[in-house]
Amino acid sequence: TQLLEQSPQFLSIQEGENLTVYCNSSSVFSSLQWYRQEPGEGPVLLVTVVTGGEVKKLKRLTFQFGDARKDSSLHITAAQPGDTGLYLCARRISGTYKYIFGTGTRLKVLA
Amino acid sequence: DTEVTQTPKHLVMGMTNKKSLKCEQHMGHRAMYWYKQKAKKPPELMFVYSYEKLSINESVPSRFSPECPNSSLLNLHLHALQPEDSALYLCASSQGPTGNVQETQYFGPGTRLLVL
Repeated sequence: TQLLEQSPQFLSIQEGENLTVYCNSSSVFSSLQWYRQEPGEGPVLLVTVVTGGEVKKLKRLTFQFGDARKDSSLHITAAQPGDTGLYLCARRISGTYKYIFGTGTRLKVLA
Repeated sequence: DTEVTQTPKHLVMGMTNKKSLKCEQHMGHRAMYWYKQKAKKPPELMFVYSYEKLSINESVPSRFSPECPNSSLLNLHLHALQPEDSALYLCASSQGPTGNVQETQYFGPGTRLLVL
């Protein structure tokens, strides 16, 4: 299967807490994108990870690509209300223009 | 510049109307996409154009008709839509060569469509 499963599906936390979102697949993929989407807006690219074991940081967000390139995680430190949104992972099917999206994680950070 | 623009931002149409959604990018990308997104769901692929030719049609009903006039523009023509077609329609673009592992999609802000 080429599905991308994200967990948790929904997360409601207080400002200042830490959280981790997971994106898992049974297939190996060559790269993976993470997006954040606010209601009524298009997804905004956060990062692309390519190398197994790779770690990328974007301010309070840390992205990790699994060693076997079958999974990825997004960790947010000291969450803020501005982090609220739908977080989506996505991968391209090799040799095609077709992208598969994860099931999504809806994050709400309360002030 | 990684901007993809879409117009209009909002659209309300009746089931007998004909309307068009427009998308534009000036990043030199050679692949352009239309997605449909329902509330609280991930985007669903509708069409892909690569090098201005239709590459993928995900069995979309013929009341949706895509058009790629040139490498920077993508249109979606709408005719005789149903209320269940109400959704956020997203355009995206990517560099184009499928062999590039860094290949990444960039999305526009979307058009929120309501069919009455």
